Amino acid sequence: DTAVSQTPKYLVTQMGNDKSIKCEQNLGHDTMYWYKQDSKKFLKIMFSYNNKELIINETVPNRFSPKSPDKAHLNLHINSLELGDSAVYFCASSHVRAYEQYFGPGTRLTVT
Amino acid sequence: ILNVEQSPQSLHVQEGDSTNFTCSFPSSNFYALHWYRWETAKSPEALFVMTLNGDEKKKGRISATLNTKEGYSYLYIKGSQPEDSATYLCAFPPRDDKIIFGKGTRLHILP
Repeated sequence: DTAVSQTPKYLVTQMGNDKSIKCEQNLGHDTMYWYKQDSKKFLKIMFSYNNKELIINETVPNRFSPKSPDKAHLNLHINSLELGDSAVYFCASSHVRAYEQYFGPGTRLTVT
Repeated sequence: ILNVEQSPQSLHVQEGDSTNFTCSFPSSNFYALHWYRWETAKSPEALFVMTLNGDEKKKGRISATLNTKEGYSYLYIKGSQPEDSATYLCAFPPRDDKIIFGKGTRLHILP
């Protein structure tokens, strides 16, 4: 009974490709997030999104875009992949922004 | 620029000893403070959400306190066990801005 799921778990692709990572939550939460675990293992927010508001971390390149077909899904699209995009990406959700977040298992992206 | 600082970065504690570490955050624009435990090769898991000045929360041997006026929170672990080895993250979601995670305190419990 997974609360927040991500697919795929591993993604290996070449530079220049376009890829997507899917995220689904079955918790009925209103807000979803994407994080990048950087090379030093730190967690950096990329986006937070609910049906009213998208908050973007200004350091995120515009090659990254979140797409939400409905409240339970927030997919991450990445265009023109670069070597530096290799990282673990975590999806998360929460009831509202002040509440605790539930994280997905992570997607390890490797760009060759 | 809002900043969340955690100290120490890394900590080695003998099994059975108690320990604590700190999260510092901006005292203005306070909304909530979160603590998470992040075990290696897993995802962060929420420990506490703290919203009121003077809040104290407890879960088993782990507890946390909050001082919003001076902008800090302490996490305490009593009688450390090997399963407590993890990175402990605090996160600060300001009222009108993006959430900020600290860099974490990496706790190692020595047998």
